[in-house]
Parts: sequence; structure tokens; C-alpha cells
Amino acid sequence: GAVVSQHPSRVICKSGTSVKIECRSLDFQATTMFWYRQFPKQSLMLMATSNEGSKATYEQGVEKDKFLINHASLTLSTLTVTSAHPEDSSFYICSARDEGRETQYFGPGTRLLVL
Amino acid sequence: AQSVTQLGSHVSVSEGALVLLRCNYSSSVPPYLFWYVQYPNQGLQLLLKYTTGATLVKGINGFEAEFKKSETSFHLTKPSAHMSDAAEYFCAVSKGNTPLVFGKGTRLSVIA
Repeated sequence: GAVVSQHPSRVICKSGTSVKIECRSLDFQATTMFWYRQFPKQSLMLMATSNEGSKATYEQGVEKDKFLINHASLTLSTLTVTSAHPEDSSFYICSARDEGRETQYFGPGTRLLVL
Repeated sequence: AQSVTQLGSHVSVSEGALVLLRCNYSSSVPPYLFWYVQYPNQGLQLLLKYTTGATLVKGINGFEAEFKKSETSFHLTKPSAHMSDAAEYFCAVSKGNTPLVFGKGTRLSVIA
């Protein structure tokens, strides 16, 4: 299947700092990428839809100023958690939509721990 | 609106036994249906998908699923469980460019 990478895989930061997570589609172009958050032993919660060349679409209850999304190219989307707090600690997973195969492919996830 | 219900948050089978993970969906339009597997601390890996055509879909690792429109179901099966199948399984539905809507997941345990 298609490959989506995510970097970093794990990050620990101090409260108040900002953290950037990168999501790349390695073997296909993705006009649409998605960012999810997953709490322990729970399903994935969609945070936002990232559209190349336009603003992201955020789900209800997700603060767009807190979670900045930039879809800079057809293979790269970034999620920046600004002024991170301990409650932002979570597992963040991105996915990229392969239009040709009408399928979303997922990155390996980023474990964020805010101290 | 689309939704997915996965019956059973935890399923336990013996090694070599049949695996059956249930998924029912609700969709106002013909859906695209997916099964993903997640191993601990990893992202989701696509097992199989149904978009159009043959209703019995074969995926990786010996899994298959059958789309039954009359029952609004897309259950996942594997004839013989292996220890390496122990993981979290998610059923999801979408249509066109809409984001995936996930079920709550089913944790599969395989007992030796």
C-alpha cells in the first residue's frame, strides 16, 4: 500500500512551547490530508481536514489557533501545537487521501508528552 | 450522516479458530467501507476496502469481509487466527472525499 510518514514519532516538551509535526505522503500526491487525535484505548477523533493551497477545515470543538495546520505542498502537511499544555498530550495521527485509490493511508503516529 | 457500529469492544479467540469482527454502518448513500488494523503505538494499516463491484473483498494477512447491503454490514473474518493477529481493528465508512468515520474499535486477543 501507499506510504505516509510522520515526524517526529515521539516528542517530549515543556508546557508553553510549540511543537510541529510533519506528515508526508511518500509515493503519491495528496490534495487532502487529515489530522486525528487518539486517546488511550479509544478510537480516532478527527481534528481537521487539511487542504493543499487553502485553509484547513476544523471539526467542532477543535481550536484552530491552538492547532495550526499548513498544507504546504501536495506531499506535506504540518500540525503545530501552539503553547502546548499537559492536556494536549496525546497520540496524533495523520492520514493522506490517495484520490486514485479512493483510500486514506495513515502515518505511524506521533506521541506527544507535555510536561 | 454516516456512522459505524462495531459490536464487541473486545473479542478473544484461540489460535487457529475463526475470527469474526462485526461492523454495521449507517449511510444515506452507497458507502465506501474499510477495515484498518492498529498495532500498539502505531498508525493504522489498511486491511481491505469495499468501494464497488464484488461484495466479498479479500485483504492482507488472510482477512476478508463481505458487504451485505440488506444487513448494512461489513463483517471481517479470517478462517484461522494467528498470534500476530492480536491488535485493534477499526471499521470505517466514507463516501467520496468525506473524511472517514470510524467505529470505536474492537480489540482482538488470540490465546495460544
